[in-house]
Amino acid sequence: RKEVEQDPGPFNVPEGATVAFNCTYSNSASQSFFWYRQDCRKEPKLLMSVYSSGNEDGRFTAQLNRASQYISLLIRDSKLSDSATYLCVVNGNNFNKFYFGSGTKLNVKP
Amino acid sequence: DVKVTQSSRYLVKRTGEKVFLECVQDMDHENMFWYRQDPGLGLRLIYFSYDVKMKEKGDIPEGYSVSREKKERFSLILESASTNQTSMYLCASSLGNGPNEQFFGPGTRLTVL
Repeated sequence: RKEVEQDPGPFNVPEGATVAFNCTYSNSASQSFFWYRQDCRKEPKLLMSVYSSGNEDGRFTAQLNRASQYISLLIRDSKLSDSATYLCVVNGNNFNKFYFGSGTKLNVKP
Repeated sequence: DVKVTQSSRYLVKRTGEKVFLECVQDMDHENMFWYRQDPGLGLRLIYFSYDVKMKEKGDIPEGYSVSREKKERFSLILESASTNQTSMYLCASSLGNGPNEQFFGPGTRLTVL
């Protein structure tokens, strides 16, 4: 079983739409969670951390559900520039070690 | 501005060759990582290092070795390249003491013929 699983998509949405991605993780001892964004042919970059209480950064909201072992990312009012692959990242038993999901591809259309 | 650099963007090698991939970070980070990224498999950790001369195996260390002689530099070595090592290789660094943000280099696309 993979440590982190994501729906690969693609999610094709019109500009202005709201879209949500989920990601499940297998290690119940995981303590730290992140969403990274990866543009085509570029390196991943941190989008936001995911805190137990949930957190919001502008149009982006991240939530953590420990009981069901999943994290979510909600994007409101999608922009063309949001088109990218979104990677879910969870730390392992070694705090310095991370597991990456294979990513969910988002295409925002005009 | 934080920066992680990798020695090559594209590399073509032949089966059996020894391959060196270099990564340098200028942020004085304790931790450095080597990943490979393949379609449908995501990023998989090959090795990481949390201090000079220290290293730990990741999830797929077979066929690879690493070297960290200086804090800012982390090298990945393919002792005898094989075609199944054709991949995108990404280096990253982060501050020590916990699960901190990882900063990635631009990647090296390695093709082994």
